[in-house]
Amino acid sequence: NAGVMQNPRHLVRRRGQEARLRCSPMKGHSHVYWYRQLPEEGLKFMVYLQKENIIDESGMPKERFSAEFPKEGPSILRIQQVVRGDSAAYFCASSPRGGPTEAYGYTFGSGTRLTVV
Amino acid sequence: AQSVTQLGSHVSVSEGALVLLRCNYSSSVPPYLFWYVQYPNQGLQLLLKYTTGATLVKGINGFEAEFKKSETSFHLTKPSAHMSDAAEYFCAVTVTGGGNKLTFGTGTQLKVEL
Repeated sequence: NAGVMQNPRHLVRRRGQEARLRCSPMKGHSHVYWYRQLPEEGLKFMVYLQKENIIDESGMPKERFSAEFPKEGPSILRIQQVVRGDSAAYFCASSPRGGPTEAYGYTFGSGTRLTVV
Repeated sequence: AQSVTQLGSHVSVSEGALVLLRCNYSSSVPPYLFWYVQYPNQGLQLLLKYTTGATLVKGINGFEAEFKKSETSFHLTKPSAHMSDAAEYFCAVTVTGGGNKLTFGTGTQLKVEL
């Protein structure tokens, strides 16, 4: 049973380009969470999605960032017109239902490391 | 809103020595507390969590943590450090009604020396 798969592992973009980060949750998991880890900082919540629905996007920057989790296929975190400050590690986590307090909790992927040059 | 503070961004211990990583939380309602470990270029792995019940929680790889409400603490310990414990450790908190999201501390890098 594969874990949470994120790709690409490393992504380099020039300022102004678009970045697309993909997350395939574990089989049977319908809840996806995105977190961002800036250098020397802990992870910060960005968005929580269920299939075809955004449940909580309170951590998403108001502009340039969007996320989706379609009925079929992976969840996508999209960053338009990237700037140097977007350079970070972006982690996805999934759960079958509920959140981290449930017995099964979250499972994290290995992350995508975005570098904006 | 809830938060966690990890004291000491870098901790160094000798192999075989006690590991103590500190975490203090702030929450106006009963918290749920977690410790995660992150190895280089990998995702986060859950070490242990406190939700309800026994305040001393045992996790994987010989780690344990004790929830102390009076001290608002959830420190992580391991009696004897191993080289393979070298990693970054994150404390995190959530609460009921917290929207299934975790609030993380800034992490503690553990170095284990021979």
